[in-house]
Amino acid sequence: GQNIDQPTEMTATEGAIVQINCTYQTSGFNGLFWYQQHAGEAPTFLSYNVLDGLEEKGRFSSFLSRSKGYSYLLLKELQMKDSASYLCAVSDSNYQLIWGAGTKLIIKP
Amino acid sequence: DADVTQTPRNRITKTGKRIMLECSQTKGHDRMYWYRQDPGLGLRLIYYSFDVKDINKGEISDGYSVSRQAQAKFSLSLESAIPNQTALYFCATSDSAAVQETQYFGPGTRLLVL
Repeated sequence: GQNIDQPTEMTATEGAIVQINCTYQTSGFNGLFWYQQHAGEAPTFLSYNVLDGLEEKGRFSSFLSRSKGYSYLLLKELQMKDSASYLCAVSDSNYQLIWGAGTKLIIKP
Repeated sequence: DADVTQTPRNRITKTGKRIMLECSQTKGHDRMYWYRQDPGLGLRLIYYSFDVKDINKGEISDGYSVSRQAQAKFSLSLESAIPNQTALYFCATSDSAAVQETQYFGPGTRLLVL
């Protein structure tokens, strides 16, 4: 079967760095997405990786290792507004997105 | 203005009632999707449409039906609502011509079935 695993919840301190991991097993791979979702709101696109390596976009970076079926989202200089759920999703061989359950990130002052 | 809109934003209904959730988009995307989200679970695909004449069942289509009235409109119907269909429903769109086929989401419809 297809499976995406990510931690249920993480806590970090304002101004610090946090890494959210995602492991996946899917039938085919056409890219991995990270989305941010604030409570009760729509998911919004953060990053996309299709080749191995690190993609940096401001305070957010995303890493992919296809051989290990592994990705992480790195958030630097955490702000209170970063408190949200972070969703990992993989595009499979049919270009369907397979979604993880999301990681709820709690930022403390 | 929002690119993907959903109506209604909130809905309370009773068991057995038929309801329709509507989605419209101004992004010009050809592909549209309906998901539901339950606490502690990931987004689950209900139906998807790759163009006006193409409708496909997703992971959890039982109890739901859809209609793609135009490229910009995709409706989800619950023929006879039941309490376990209480959830947050999202419509999403994507462009099959894009190198990176990102899905863009509407604001969601919160549905409560009593």
